[in-house]
Amino acid sequence: ETGVTQSPTHLIKTRGQQVTLRCSSQSGHNTVSWYQQALGQGPQFIFQYYREEENGRGNFPPRFSGLQFPNYSSELNVNALELDDSALYLCASSPGGLAGMETQYFGPGTRLLVL
Amino acid sequence: DAKTTQPTSMDCAEGRAANLPCNHSTISGNEYVYWYRQIHSQGPQYIIHGLKNNETNEMASLIITEDRKSSTLILPHATLRDTAVYYCIVRANNYGQNFVFGPGTRLSVLP
Repeated sequence: ETGVTQSPTHLIKTRGQQVTLRCSSQSGHNTVSWYQQALGQGPQFIFQYYREEENGRGNFPPRFSGLQFPNYSSELNVNALELDDSALYLCASSPGGLAGMETQYFGPGTRLLVL
Repeated sequence: DAKTTQPTSMDCAEGRAANLPCNHSTISGNEYVYWYRQIHSQGPQYIIHGLKNNETNEMASLIITEDRKSSTLILPHATLRDTAVYYCIVRANNYGQNFVFGPGTRLSVLP
């Protein structure tokens, strides 16, 4: 167990809807990263937050957005859902901020199905 | 794109050592080699990482060649619970760096 929790575990939405996924980081970790993993592929980096600021972004459109809160918990929001957004969404936390402190610890993921 | 090359799949007999290779011929001097594994439908699990020296922990050993262009993850006594996809990733431990996952190696431990 990594101490990283995500909710909900599963979710079904329809095309065009909006969704919010939640992540609680491991105690003492101030950096959170979000990844999307389509079936049969490796995780793909969406973005990272450090101390409530976006700190890097992958090749995802602006309808993917995030927040990090003062307690370092985090949200991933996806607007205007598309069928291809169906995937496992992973949250990973790390101590962050210093070189050599960047090992990321992943949560169990939220499986999103868009119909 | 991932900066590593791994075999698509490997088999290993239960109780034997599993040796998983990884090529990273373009690795830079400040990039670490990380290994994660993912058991079906779970989040990736951190295994080990290293810069240039060999590393060992309670899960595995990491052997990095002297030129750092390749490495091998060793699970000394594989069990059925080690069946998973294993990802080798190179990444600088700098501020804001993320992990770039390739397809990984699917290891099947056979009874």
